[in-house]
Amino acid sequence: DAGVIQSPRHEVTEMGQEVTLRCKPISGHNSLFWYRQTMMRGLELLIYFNNNVPIDDSGMPEDRFSAKMPNASFSTLKIQPSEPRDSAVYFCASSSDQGQPQHFGDGTRLSIL
Amino acid sequence: KQEVTQIPAALSVPEGENLVLNCSFTDSAIYNLQWFRQDPGKGLTSLLLIQSSQREQTSGRLNASLDKSSGRSTLYIAASQPGDSATYLCAVRTGANNLFFGTGTRLTVIP
Repeated sequence: DAGVIQSPRHEVTEMGQEVTLRCKPISGHNSLFWYRQTMMRGLELLIYFNNNVPIDDSGMPEDRFSAKMPNASFSTLKIQPSEPRDSAVYFCASSSDQGQPQHFGDGTRLSIL
Repeated sequence: KQEVTQIPAALSVPEGENLVLNCSFTDSAIYNLQWFRQDPGKGLTSLLLIQSSQREQTSGRLNASLDKSSGRSTLYIAASQPGDSATYLCAVRTGANNLFFGTGTRLTVIP
């Protein structure tokens, strides 16, 4: 069974450019989470969806960040315009239900120059 | 806001030794606590999940305990192996499905 799939694995771009990160959750999971991991702040929840609906986006840093989940099998996290301080590893995770273990993708390592 | 702390930040042990990793959290009103393993350049792998009503969970050489009232959890690894080398993270789930992560313990098992 395929796990959570994220793309791209690595992204290097110049500041000011738009960045789109993609996630395919595990089939049948109805909760999807976007996290950011940095050395300074560790892992932080950015936003999560339940049944494709955003439930809590209080972790989204600012208006430059947006996330969508147009259907049960796909989600995007977009940063526009990107800044060097956005450099981090971005993880997507999914779970079958609230309270069930979250399963993580391998992450997207983002570098903004 | 929930604060999760893991001590020590790094730990080196010789192969075969038993070890304990510690996790503490400030708000005891949790739904569950989850232990993860993270290998370099990889995502997180769920190891054990303890519901708030449970005291411990076991999987193979791993045993996790939870003392909700004191805000503590431990991960016990028996007979450590070099393949156990990784960063171990604990995370507590509060209401609204939010996971608060500790900063992790980086474990090195020396052959």
